Amino acid sequence: NAGVTQTPKFQVLKTGQSMTLQCAQDMNHNSMYWYRQDPGMGLRLIYYSASEGTTDKGEVPNGYNVSRLNKREFSLRLESAAPSQTSVYFCASSEVGNPVGTDTQYFGPGTRLTVL
Amino acid sequence: DAKTTQPPSMDCAEGRAANLPCNHSTISGNEYVYWYRQIHSQGPQYIIHGLKNNETNEMASLIITEDRKSSTLILPHATLRDTAVYYCIVRDYYNQGGKLIFGQGTELSVKP
Repeated sequence: NAGVTQTPKFQVLKTGQSMTLQCAQDMNHNSMYWYRQDPGMGLRLIYYSASEGTTDKGEVPNGYNVSRLNKREFSLRLESAAPSQTSVYFCASSEVGNPVGTDTQYFGPGTRLTVL
Repeated sequence: DAKTTQPPSMDCAEGRAANLPCNHSTISGNEYVYWYRQIHSQGPQYIIHGLKNNETNEMASLIITEDRKSSTLILPHATLRDTAVYYCIVRDYYNQGGKLIFGQGTELSVKP
């Protein structure tokens, strides 16, 4: 049981390049999330998927696209990377709790992305 | 969204209790208080949550004031491994869905 896994762990891109960050969870959770964390800051939500087949924007969605490939996998794509997207990216997953509103989010180890 | 206010940093001696305060004066009736922590360079880790009653688990205790405008996370016997940034989050599942909105948190340093 690996929990939430993310690939790659590190990545360096040049401005304008594209890439996809991969996230997978083996806990059979319905909801998955992508956050970014800039130095000295808290995490900010980029996109989330409440269930397979649905995605919604978070606080900072500009410059990103997501795909909920299946229940296990949720990918984040940067179509044309910019230096402002240099950050650490965390994926998380959760299941609806009982009572509603009490679910716990489990986070992956993060992907450290640098855009030159 | 209800916001939280936490001190930016705190120190605690190893073996002593660490008491981390959080103000959430605009919290509404259906919002839960959550605590997460982030050890350097790792993903955040869930600690505990509560609505209005005090809660305890194997990691910590959560004390919520009767008016719910503030809370305190207690680590009863802090160790060096508890050095981390601690985030207090109020969350309205019905209006925000599953989203967690992180603030700046409190950087706790546990010293020998």
